Amino acid sequence: EDQVTQSPEALRLQEGESSSLNCSYTVSGLRGLFWYRQDPGKGPEFLFTLYSAGEEKEKERLKATLTKKESFLHITAPKPEDSATYLCAVQASEGYSTLTFGKGTMLLVSP
Amino acid sequence: ETGVTQTPRHLVMGMTNKKSLKCEQHLGHNAMYWYKQSAKKPLELMFVYNFKEQTENNSVPSRFSPECPNSSHLFLHLHTLQPEDSALYLCASSQDGQITGELFFGEGSRLTVL
Repeated sequence: EDQVTQSPEALRLQEGESSSLNCSYTVSGLRGLFWYRQDPGKGPEFLFTLYSAGEEKEKERLKATLTKKESFLHITAPKPEDSATYLCAVQASEGYSTLTFGKGTMLLVSP
Repeated sequence: ETGVTQTPRHLVMGMTNKKSLKCEQHLGHNAMYWYKQSAKKPLELMFVYNFKEQTENNSVPSRFSPECPNSSHLFLHLHTLQPEDSALYLCASSQDGQITGELFFGEGSRLTVL
């Protein structure tokens, strides 16, 4: 059974204080790992797809990296508008496969 | 309108009521999904429709009944719900239901069952 564990559950940062969110996964074969951002009262918004170990993707202050067992979402010099819940999901490569989501990390960036 | 639109945004219903949630996507996608989001739990996939055909029913109780009349519209019919069914119900779409994990979500319908 595919599993996704995100840590920490919640993270509070000061504006400008860089940090990383972790997503550990277990999947028989990885088709893709996905990061989403969810603002309160909204649906998740797609951020990145990573397909293989060693791959990196960047968007503004966010950089996602992937190994064979985990992914990190690095946040450099965060701003208050980066406050949100960040969701990680994996899709197995076997046949028809839907996404398995983690519980998310709630990030709060204070001015 | 653009993206994925869900109505109503908020719904309060009694356990004996019948109501429906509606989702419409304006992205030209071929797959549509219903997810349930409860506090402290991961997103739970409920149903998947690919080219209007249901391809996934994730052991969802029969009090939830999906309907997909075309690739742009998706409904979730609700009847005799339980208080534990209170949650945020999210609709999503994707280009293809089998290949991509890049989903486009609506803003959700917040359901409260009294």
